[in-house]
Amino acid sequence: SQTIHQWPATLVQPVGSPLSLECTVEGTSNPNLYWYRQAAGRGLQLLFYSVGIGQISSEVPQNLSASRPQDRQFILSSKKLLLSDSGFYLCAWEGPSSYEQYFGPGTRLTVT
Amino acid sequence: QKEVEQNSGPLSVPEGAIASLNCTYSDRGSQSFFWYRQYSGKSPELIMSIYSNGDKEDGRFTAQLNKASQYVSLLIRDSQPSDSATYLCAGYNAGNMLTFGGGTRLMVKP
Repeated sequence: SQTIHQWPATLVQPVGSPLSLECTVEGTSNPNLYWYRQAAGRGLQLLFYSVGIGQISSEVPQNLSASRPQDRQFILSSKKLLLSDSGFYLCAWEGPSSYEQYFGPGTRLTVT
Repeated sequence: QKEVEQNSGPLSVPEGAIASLNCTYSDRGSQSFFWYRQYSGKSPELIMSIYSNGDKEDGRFTAQLNKASQYVSLLIRDSQPSDSATYLCAGYNAGNMLTFGGGTRLMVKP
């Protein structure tokens, strides 16, 4: 069966510091991968998606970036965090022949 | 206009009752719809998918899709306190991206 991991689970970072969040998927090949952010009391915002290694599409211009160095690894990064980057960051995977997305456990980021 | 809209609630129902959660969407071309359950502090969990008009039942859950009215609903029979959560409706938009509603908070009271 498929499993999706995210780490760290929680993170407190000062404004201006860098960020690296990692997501890995097990039990599937060539998944579509997604990064979402859920701000407090708000809906899910799609940040990036990837259909393959090195292929990244950005949905929202911002100070975040994403990379997919391996088939089942998706990384979200920032060079300098802003207060507005605080939120619950969720990675999701979707099978290549499926429309269903499954979420990882998430990373709760607080920028102070 | 948001692409997927839900009443934020809270929707309060007594234990054992039927909870009815509703969602409307704006893109007539949308074909696939999903319901996720999100407990406080946790990530969303996919509980139902529906791709064609009509009803789809899975245990205590029934998803209903009416494409003519652009309306999706989720019925939860015999509601339990453990069903208390936020329910997210999602559908694919014209850009083939999954778009989420803001969620409806359900409270099931013992």
